[in-house]
Amino acid sequence: DTAVSQTPKYLVTQMGNDKSIKCEQNLGHDTMYWYKQDSKKFLKIMFSYNNKELIINETVPNRFSPKSPDKAHLNLHINSLELGDSAVYFCASSPTPVDSHGYTFGSGTRLTVV
Amino acid sequence: KQEVTQIPAALSVPEGENLVLNCSFTDSAIYNLQWFRQDPGKGLTSLLLIQSSQREQTSGRLNASLDKSSGRSTLYIAASQPGDSATYLCAFTSGTYKYIFGTGTRLKVLA
Repeated sequence: DTAVSQTPKYLVTQMGNDKSIKCEQNLGHDTMYWYKQDSKKFLKIMFSYNNKELIINETVPNRFSPKSPDKAHLNLHINSLELGDSAVYFCASSPTPVDSHGYTFGSGTRLTVV
Repeated sequence: KQEVTQIPAALSVPEGENLVLNCSFTDSAIYNLQWFRQDPGKGLTSLLLIQSSQREQTSGRLNASLDKSSGRSTLYIAASQPGDSATYLCAFTSGTYKYIFGTGTRLKVLA
């Protein structure tokens, strides 16, 4: 299936731990994104990469570090997890950064920090 | 500051009704606007994408319109069904490499 896939789907961890979320797209898109959806369901962009290069870093704490080993993958590593990091994290992709085809989203990773 | 407002925040209608969801945005230099559907605990499904040069798009029972001058988009759902129950999100980009999302309209269609 052509899609944006994220792993894991659920992640429960203790404060202070370091964790990673992985994202892969097989759509041949050049641009990938991480969005955070808070408890009020508001979606806000965190990062965007185009062809492995960072193009958006939206004032996210530097405990969050994205890595794009190739244009089909964008992983998110979070250090020293805090309670406030609990949210659903969505990966998305688009053919180009400013695009006429819109976004395709993954199904989300629900992170719970206890 | 770029913002998107969606009204109403929640809507409950009987099956079969036609309904309109509203989205207003603050940036007239819009590049495109996309409507999404999100089911509880699920990801976002793209419904319709409207380019800045277009005024509307249609897919099945859904019709989305775009009025850049007034900063508004509407999503029209004809003959609503219980399966249409979900949260509907609109988002726009003005070419800044990111979508700005509204907080959504939670729709419940009663059988």
